Amino acid sequence: AQKVTQAQTEISVVEKEDVTLDCVYETRDTTYYLFWYKQPPSGELVFLIRRNSFDEQNEISGRYSWNFQKSTSSFNFTITASQVVDSAVYFCALRVSTGGYQKVTFGTGTKLQVIP
Amino acid sequence: EAQVTQNPRYLITVTGKKLTVTCSQNMNHEYMSWYRQDPGLGLRQIYYSMNVEVTDKGDVPEGYKVSRKEKRNFPLILESPSPNQTSLYFCASRRSQGANSGANVLTFGAGSRLTVL
Repeated sequence: AQKVTQAQTEISVVEKEDVTLDCVYETRDTTYYLFWYKQPPSGELVFLIRRNSFDEQNEISGRYSWNFQKSTSSFNFTITASQVVDSAVYFCALRVSTGGYQKVTFGTGTKLQVIP
Repeated sequence: EAQVTQNPRYLITVTGKKLTVTCSQNMNHEYMSWYRQDPGLGLRQIYYSMNVEVTDKGDVPEGYKVSRKEKRNFPLILESPSPNQTSLYFCASRRSQGANSGANVLTFGAGSRLTVL
């Protein structure tokens, strides 16, 4: 069975601080995909990034960066110089190849509050 | 505009009164699924469908039914709603055919907030 753990329930930072959201996953599959979604206060789910199990290249996109480490089964997300608009709930998700990628497992989410 | 449309967005109902939450997508996606979001539990998959007339249970299917008679529609049916089904529901879709389809990103609807009294 698959599992995604986001141990941080809520994080508060002051604007312009850097913040890292942790995601640890469990799967026996060797082929899988990892995702991060953002849910702002308006409620919609917005896709941020996808990584496959064969691509450990970390990525930076503007103020966002992602650190994927298969050795520790982690897929962490960092926001540099946080802004109030970053306040949201962030979900990490895992989709595995077993069963044809039919199921996706989400973490319980991390609520980020950026204080002005 | 490519989108997933859910209706109703908000609904208050009473225990036992059958209701249907509709979901429609205009992207010709094969795969559709339903999730419920509860505080502290994240999103949990209720049912999914790989294509027309092909549906299967997710992690929390009890108390729900689905059907997939047309590719674009995937309604969620609560035959006899109970208060523990009070939740925020999301429908989502993606392509599931073609090379590397496992990588395809889910497109979510705006959500349907259901309260069962």
